[in-house]
Amino acid sequence: GQNIDQPTEMTATEGAIVQINCTYQTSGFNGLFWYQQHAGEAPTFLSYNVLDGLEEKGRFSSFLSRSKGYSYLLLKELQMKDSASYLCAVRDNYGGATNKLIFGTGTLLAVQP
Amino acid sequence: DGGITQSPKYLFRKEGQNVTLSCEQNLNHDAMYWYRQDPGQGLRLIYYSQIVNDFQKGDIAEGYSVSREKKESFPLTVTSAQKNPTAFYLCASSISGSGVGPEYEQYFGPGTRLTVT
Repeated sequence: GQNIDQPTEMTATEGAIVQINCTYQTSGFNGLFWYQQHAGEAPTFLSYNVLDGLEEKGRFSSFLSRSKGYSYLLLKELQMKDSASYLCAVRDNYGGATNKLIFGTGTLLAVQP
Repeated sequence: DGGITQSPKYLFRKEGQNVTLSCEQNLNHDAMYWYRQDPGQGLRLIYYSQIVNDFQKGDIAEGYSVSREKKESFPLTVTSAQKNPTAFYLCASSISGSGVGPEYEQYFGPGTRLTVT
């Protein structure tokens, strides 16, 4: 089956570092995406991993271990505007299309002063 | 500016009525998708289209219908057969439905919040 797990909620302090974990079990794997979604708005792309290792992009980094079915999103120097849901999504090729995404439930991050 | 538009932002309907949600993109993307988002659940795929005049059912297609007569448009109809239509609906597009790489990310529209009473 297809399953993606993320913590439901997390809280962190402004200026700190937070790590959001994602574990997945899918029939195929063509990459993992992280999206940010503010309440009532569209998800926006943050990062993409398809090979094992760390991808860094400014204050955001994402790590992937394919053998463990595990990824994390690391947010540094947290700002209040980082309060949002963070969605982990795996690209699978079930059904014949290779760009179909399976989403986790999202992790709601609250950044406190 | 290139992007995806969905209208309206909020939509209210009476139970038993069909309603059509619009989705337009000017990104020249081949693939388009419809998702539904409910509280406490991840985005779930309703329908997707990899090319004009072609579309496939996603994981929760029952009670929905789509058309893809033009590359830039992918309207979703929520029919009276959909048992729980109240939700946040998101449309997305990507360069193609079969690419691998970060450039094949899905771009999302602002969403339509549908309330059926």
